[in-house]
Amino acid sequence: SQQGEEDPQALSIQEGENATMNCSYKTSINNLQWYRQNSGRGLVHLILIRSNEREKHSGRLRVTLDTSKKSSSLLITASRAADTASYFCATDEGGYNKLIFGAGTRLAVHP
Amino acid sequence: DGGITQSPKYLFRKEGQNVTLSCEQNLNHDAMYWYRQDPGQGLRLIYYSQIVNDFQKGDIAEGYSVSREKKESFPLTVTSAQKNPTAFYLCASKNRNTIYFGEGSWLTVV
Repeated sequence: SQQGEEDPQALSIQEGENATMNCSYKTSINNLQWYRQNSGRGLVHLILIRSNEREKHSGRLRVTLDTSKKSSSLLITASRAADTASYFCATDEGGYNKLIFGAGTRLAVHP
Repeated sequence: DGGITQSPKYLFRKEGQNVTLSCEQNLNHDAMYWYRQDPGQGLRLIYYSQIVNDFQKGDIAEGYSVSREKKESFPLTVTSAQKNPTAFYLCASKNRNTIYFGEGSWLTVV
């Protein structure tokens, strides 16, 4: 099945540091989204970036999209212990009503 | 409060049994989804429904069945044909481009 891929698979940083995670996908998209999942919980939507946008900000989150490389990155600035979670990218490359999720990046932020 | 409610949170299934996971939403969304998540893995699409009385297979539909008789309800049945059903199951609904998730149901085969 078509599925995006995130890297790194796991990331461990100290509070206050920035965290960057990347996502690649395979075919053309209309938009790409990032979601967060705390352990054993549902996913929560963070941010959506459209294919005609290159960068988007939301609070401490910065998302970039490079459609020529079929890749996106999520930057969390000044990380906090509460940011510890798994982060997933999702694209609509499966069609308007069929979001395809990547395998996720597990972020651990240490106090 | 508006949202998606999944039940039960934890479910144990004996070999050869069918079990049904409930998903209810009061967000008035047309599209609903079921995803499966294995430990440390991403989400895989089982089934989705764009409108009442209509649903499509996702990438791993074998051994699962769904119904969509009401807009707010999209139950998932894990049948005995699903040989490895132990996983975390997530129900979701969609408004425009954003998907909203329930809190998930853990299914374990005993």
